Amino acid sequence: SAVISQKPSRDICQRGTSLTIQCQVDSQVTMMFWYRQQPGQSLTLIATANQGSEATYESGFVIDKFPISRPNLTFSTLTVSNMSPEDSSIYLCSVDRVVRGEAFFGQGTRLTVV
Amino acid sequence: GIQVEQSPPDLILQEGANSTLRCNFSDSVNNLQWFHQNPWGQLINLFYIPSGTKQNGRLSATTVATERYSLLYISSSQTTDSGVYFCAASGGGSQGNLIFGKGTKLSVKP
Repeated sequence: SAVISQKPSRDICQRGTSLTIQCQVDSQVTMMFWYRQQPGQSLTLIATANQGSEATYESGFVIDKFPISRPNLTFSTLTVSNMSPEDSSIYLCSVDRVVRGEAFFGQGTRLTVV
Repeated sequence: GIQVEQSPPDLILQEGANSTLRCNFSDSVNNLQWFHQNPWGQLINLFYIPSGTKQNGRLSATTVATERYSLLYISSSQTTDSGVYFCAASGGGSQGNLIFGKGTKLSVKP
């Protein structure tokens, strides 16, 4: 299994500010994934981050709101920009196990916007 | 794309009881996973099981791919089993196609 370190684990932020979430993997991976889980809901894929290219965003998510960096094969960041209370969610990063596509998740970032 | 439905949405058990959680999916899959989300929000991998049967301690899972469903069995439940259980599936390629069900919220009472 992959070891994925995500930080911060939680934060309380003022509306209008931005928060950058970091995700570090213990081995090189081609793709990293960012999910959002709104309160009481399931997980929704925000974007796929490939090293050396722009992230691919899912319908309903835009780069201006959720800019992503992928500077190397073990690290990625997700920024939640110009936050509003509706952005209060758990944000999770994930990677595939190379051989068969099994997904592993970081411990998540619980974001509260006040 | 694939649709994933889980049942029941909520389940309350007394400690020591057994339970079965169900996951139906709308199309053939080559990735089917079960996760447990603990109260702190962390997703724990339980099973990678696109077909067949696996067991890990008190937990076991069976996926019948031809009939498009998967079952998660929890035996002799403990309070630490509480949380939300998610089923997720994809029809191929990378995880970008991984679709999550809405989850089953399990509460185990002492």
